[in-house]
Amino acid sequence: EVQLLESGGGLVQPGGSLRLSCAASGFTFNLYAMAWVRQAPGKGLEWVSGISGSGDATFYADSVKGRFTISKDNSINTLYLQMNSLRAGDTAVYYCAKDRIAASVPYFFDYWGQGTLVTVSS
Amino acid sequence: EIVLTQSPATLSLSPGERATLSCRASQTVTTFLAWYQQKPGQSPRLLIYDASNRATGIPARFSGSGSGTDFTLTISSLEPEDFALYYCQQRSNWPRTFGQGTKVEIK
Repeated sequence: EVQLLESGGGLVQPGGSLRLSCAASGFTFNLYAMAWVRQAPGKGLEWVSGISGSGDATFYADSVKGRFTISKDNSINTLYLQMNSLRAGDTAVYYCAKDRIAASVPYFFDYWGQGTLVTVSS
Repeated sequence: EIVLTQSPATLSLSPGERATLSCRASQTVTTFLAWYQQKPGQSPRLLIYDASNRATGIPARFSGSGSGTDFTLTISSLEPEDFALYYCQQRSNWPRTFGQGTKVEIK
């Protein structure tokens, strides 16, 4: 059974940093691209960042480019999102998501975690 | 980036009725489009990928069509559990983008 468990969310001041983790199980982690998708309170879904199965290719939304870094540790089946220079507009539930097929880049997502809330406020 | 515009914003229907949701792309995405369902307090669920292929375990009442810039998600006969938010997503270009969503509510 595929499971994705996010952690690391919380309250942080503007300008601060936070690292999210997503522990994966139930599939061959190093074969699948992964992504982070966020949802601000009462708003729609926003694709944030994606990474290839091997971890050597990364992709970002313009809104987070230069501030966020996605990575994955295939030895411990964990996806990360390092978030720096956080702004109020980054407040959201952050979901990690697994790609539907074993492809080199993120396409569509068939499994999602339960999400972790990041609140940026002073 | 490719902008996906969903319409209508809200669809008010009764159980048993047919639902037709639209997603229009600002430039062609060929057939690289997916549909997701999200219920309150839950994570999104993949319904349709590559415009017309049902994901694993998705009932046959859900169908997708379209290509280029215009896409449709059809729910042939609404069940009580289908009242939810629906989002489209493209994988044609970077960054991947989602539409703003259509809420299907009980009339």
